[in-house]
Amino acid sequence: EVQLVESGGGSVQPGGSLRLSCVASGFTFNNNWMSWVRQAPGKGLEWVANMKQDGSERYYVDSVKGRFTISRDNAKNALYLQMNSLRVDDTAVYYCAKDRAASCWGQGTLVTVSS
Amino acid sequence: DVVMTQSPLSLPVTLGQPASISCRSSQSLVHSDGNTYLNWFQQRPGQSPRRLIYKVSSRDSGVPDRFSGSGSGTDFTLKISRVEAEDVAIYYCMQATHWPPITFGQGTRLDFK
Repeated sequence: EVQLVESGGGSVQPGGSLRLSCVASGFTFNNNWMSWVRQAPGKGLEWVANMKQDGSERYYVDSVKGRFTISRDNAKNALYLQMNSLRVDDTAVYYCAKDRAASCWGQGTLVTVSS
Repeated sequence: DVVMTQSPLSLPVTLGQPASISCRSSQSLVHSDGNTYLNWFQQRPGQSPRRLIYKVSSRDSGVPDRFSGSGSGTDFTLKISRVEAEDVAIYYCMQATHWPPITFGQGTRLDFK
């Protein structure tokens, strides 16, 4: 069974940093693109970033370029999202998803950016 | 960026009756490889999203056959043949043909009358 477990969310002040993690199991992690998708409170889904199997390609939504970095450790079956210069409008539940078509999702981790 | 527009945004339904959600894209979603990367997701209250349909009409494992997807080009539809209580949710379409960015529709809230 595919499982994705996110962690690392929390409360931070504007301008602060957080690092999210996602640990995967139940499938061959290093054979799949991986994605981050977020959902602001009461709002819809927004794709944030994704990364190719070997890390050679990474893509971001414009609003996070230069502030967020997606990375992965295939030996640990782990996906990361380093978030710097956080803004109030980054407040959301962040989901890890398998592949570019988001075939499976984790339970999400809440990031709150507030002064 | 490809804009995905869903309608209606709210869909009151009657138990056992059919339901239909439309999703339109601002440009054709046919990829140069011949595939159309249009997916549908269900998000029940308090839960993570779950993919129901990929590449327009292929149902994911475990998805009841009352759910079906259809369409082509810029016009797509998710249909539920007979709505059940567990179908109360928000439904999203998503395109992964022209990216980055991958884009979602605004969501359609399905609830009972």
